[in-house]
Amino acid sequence: EIVLTQSPGTLSLSPGERATLSCRASQSVSRNYLAWYQQKPGQAPRLLIYGISSRATGIPDRFSGSGSGTDFTLTISRLEPEDFAVYYCHQYGGSQTFGQGTKVEIK
Amino acid sequence: QVQLQESGPGLVKPSQTLSLTCTVSGGSISSGGYFWSWIRQPAGQALEWIGRLYTSGTTDYNASLKSRVTISLDTSKNHFSLELSSVTAADTAVYYCARAPPYYGLDVWGQGTTVTVSS
Repeated sequence: EIVLTQSPGTLSLSPGERATLSCRASQSVSRNYLAWYQQKPGQAPRLLIYGISSRATGIPDRFSGSGSGTDFTLTISRLEPEDFAVYYCHQYGGSQTFGQGTKVEIK
Repeated sequence: QVQLQESGPGLVKPSQTLSLTCTVSGGSISSGGYFWSWIRQPAGQALEWIGRLYTSGTTDYNASLKSRVTISLDTSKNHFSLELSSVTAADTAVYYCARAPPYYGLDVWGQGTTVTVSS
């Protein structure tokens, strides 16, 4: 099983700042099957990024994904008030796993 | 647009079988070559993938749950189902169903349903 480790656990930032979230895999993620989701309290997760760097339908371009192999990054270029949430990475190359999440909170 | 809705008992006794259904609306479950998945999330914790079913009937399960999980498809009712046997308190969680196009992530999710395992 591929273990995904996200860091930091919590990111305290102000609106307008840049957020950089990390996801490290215990082994290489096959076929670039790495996605990112946003989850707000009481809601289902929402797909942001798939295939490491492709934005899902309707996702603003302030969200971007990058990386390869075992190291991946989600960047939010300028935080909007609605971006404060928990973010999960997800590898779907075989037996699927999720990271433990990074909470982006208002500083 | 496609929408998913989970349904089933909110309370299950220990050692019994948890059974949930995910009804698909706005499209046919048997078209499009999608994977239909179940994911769960204990309160305050991370997401855990349970398993998925392809429209052909092929299934993949989380290895840690495989001996207790069955995911099945009912095209006549346009829904798919989850059965998890021999439940314990550790199976208490919000259960989500979701759709995944090939090569994509989980792009459509149900709202989730809370299942509590307790006597």
